[in-house]
Amino acid sequence: KAGVTQTPRYLIKTRGQQVTLSCSPISGHRSVSWYQQTPGQGLQFLFEYFSETQRNKGNFPGRFSGRQFSNSRSEMNVSTLELGDSALYLCASSFRTESYEQYFGPGTRLTVT
Amino acid sequence: KQEVTQIPAALSVPEGENLVLNCSFTDSAIYNLQWFRQDPGKGLTSLLLIQSSQREQTSGRLNASLDKSSGRSTLYIAASQPGDSATYLCAVKDNAGNMLTFGGGTRLMVKP
Repeated sequence: KAGVTQTPRYLIKTRGQQVTLSCSPISGHRSVSWYQQTPGQGLQFLFEYFSETQRNKGNFPGRFSGRQFSNSRSEMNVSTLELGDSALYLCASSFRTESYEQYFGPGTRLTVT
Repeated sequence: KQEVTQIPAALSVPEGENLVLNCSFTDSAIYNLQWFRQDPGKGLTSLLLIQSSQREQTSGRLNASLDKSSGRSTLYIAASQPGDSATYLCAVKDNAGNMLTFGGGTRLMVKP
């Protein structure tokens, strides 16, 4: 069974631009969560989608948004990029919510210059 | 608000040693706790998941325990190997959704 895949793996953008990251969960998984990892703040939760509905949202500005499609694939978008948005963005999938194990993808490394 | 702390932040041990990594959390009303491993620049690999009703889980040389009432978990690694060198993260889920709260991690170096 294929794992969680994320595209692209690396991305370089300029301040003010916008970016879209993609995540394909493990087949059969319906929950997708996004996290931002930086050296200073560690791993921080961005948002979670289940059956195309956002269930939880972390404490990030409105420039960060996401969506989930009917096939459970998810995208996150960051508009008006800032230098501080440079980070590793990780996606996790789970069969459902509650007590199911979560599996992470390899991440997308975003560099904002 | 849930806070997760991992001690120590870094650890260096000689190959073959048994070691314990610690994780503590402030709110004991959790659904589960998960231990992950992260290699530099990579994603997270799930090691063990302990449900709130369980006391421990084992996988190979790894054993994780959970004491919900005291807000603590430990990850025991037996007979450490250089390939175990990585950052180990614990995360708790304390809500009905899938939001995980992570600790800062313990960076482990196992020297040959």
